[in-house]
Amino acid sequence: AQSVTQLDSQVPVFEEAPVELRCNYSSSVSVYLFWYVQYPNQGLQLLLKYLSGSTLVKGINGFEAEFNKSQTSFHLRKPSVHISDTAEYFCAVGIGAQKLVFGQGTRLTINP
Amino acid sequence: NAGVTQTPKFRVLKTGQSMTLLCAQDMNHEYMYWYRQDPGMGLRLIHYSVGEGTTAKGEVPDGYNVSRLKKQNFLLGLESAAPSQTSVYFCASSYSPGNTIYFGEGSWLTVV
Repeated sequence: AQSVTQLDSQVPVFEEAPVELRCNYSSSVSVYLFWYVQYPNQGLQLLLKYLSGSTLVKGINGFEAEFNKSQTSFHLRKPSVHISDTAEYFCAVGIGAQKLVFGQGTRLTINP
Repeated sequence: NAGVTQTPKFRVLKTGQSMTLLCAQDMNHEYMYWYRQDPGMGLRLIHYSVGEGTTAKGEVPDGYNVSRLKKQNFLLGLESAAPSQTSVYFCASSYSPGNTIYFGEGSWLTVV
């Protein structure tokens, strides 16, 4: 069975510092990979996705992620965070991909 | 641009009552999904549909039923609500596998 593990449930960082949110997945077949962001009391918005091709994917709001097939990882990074990046971030794996399997989420808190 | 619309947004039910959550999308998407979100557990797929007239079980289907009589609508029903079904429910849709999944803003359900 496919699964997604987000290694950190909470990540506090200072404003303008870099951040990495970690995501590992397990799957025996090719997958699509996604990062979604959820702001308080809102639905999920797509940050970026990997379908094929270049392993470095750039998304909205200055985020990027790198697909590493050998390590089955898809970590999300931003070189300099802003207060407005405070949100919950979800990694997801598309299988087949008729459906997405989500990780447990990482709450990113930006401190001034 | 409506996108994915869920109704109602908030509801309180007594144990044993029934209700239906309605999801409507105006993007002509084939695929539709119902997820529930619980603290520390990410989003878990309840049921999904790959086209009008089709439904399939997700990870946590017990206690829920769905129908997709029209392409634009995906209904989630609770026949006999239980406190364990207190959650935030998200509907989502996508054009095809690998494409962006668009989420509604969520429906907060409390079962007392």
